[in-house]
Amino acid sequence: GEDVEQSLFLSVREGDSSVINCTYTDSSSTYLYWYKQEPGAGLQLLTYIFSNMDMKQDQRLTVLLNKKDKHLSLRIADTQTGDSAIYFCAESLPDGNTGKLIFGQGTTLQVKP
Amino acid sequence: NAGVMQNPRHLVRRRGQEARLRCSPMKGHSHVYWYRQLPEEGLKFMVYLQKENIIDESGMPKERFSAEFPKEGPSILRIQQVVRGDSAAYFCASSPRLAGSQETQYFGPGTRLLVL
Repeated sequence: GEDVEQSLFLSVREGDSSVINCTYTDSSSTYLYWYKQEPGAGLQLLTYIFSNMDMKQDQRLTVLLNKKDKHLSLRIADTQTGDSAIYFCAESLPDGNTGKLIFGQGTTLQVKP
Repeated sequence: NAGVMQNPRHLVRRRGQEARLRCSPMKGHSHVYWYRQLPEEGLKFMVYLQKENIIDESGMPKERFSAEFPKEGPSILRIQQVVRGDSAAYFCASSPRLAGSQETQYFGPGTRLLVL
């Protein structure tokens, strides 16, 4: 079945690293994504990783994928107050090639000054 | 290159009225996805359309909801006889070609529907 789970809330201090975790159930996932949603706004694509990769780094963002455990994480280095938002992980399945995304319920990141 | 446009941004309807939500994809994008976000939940897939075709509507409620993406003009998500449970944020995403490959989905700002 299709299910993506995230912890609901994370609080860190400015300058610390944040690690947001996500687990998924479908091993046939092709791509896994991280989106950021600020209050009242749409979703901004942060980064994505292809399922045959273990790690991807993009400036302050590091994505780790453990395919065996079906676990995805997003690490934000030197977290800033502007990083406060809801972070969604999502998976894309090969399911008839429709490309629909399956989202987790989102992790609210609170960054304290 | 303008991003995905959605209008209206906020829509208030009374129970039983109709709601029409519009989405203009990014220039050059011919694939449109609609998602619904209930309060404090993640996004749930509703429907995937290409120009003049519904490709996958497996996430769309069977009654009262319909979607189209005509040859000319925006994609429309239509909800007839709205009920309070339809109150949600509705997001449109577009893609230049099949998502899940090297391209991905770019989201609009959403339409927040409130049913009184």
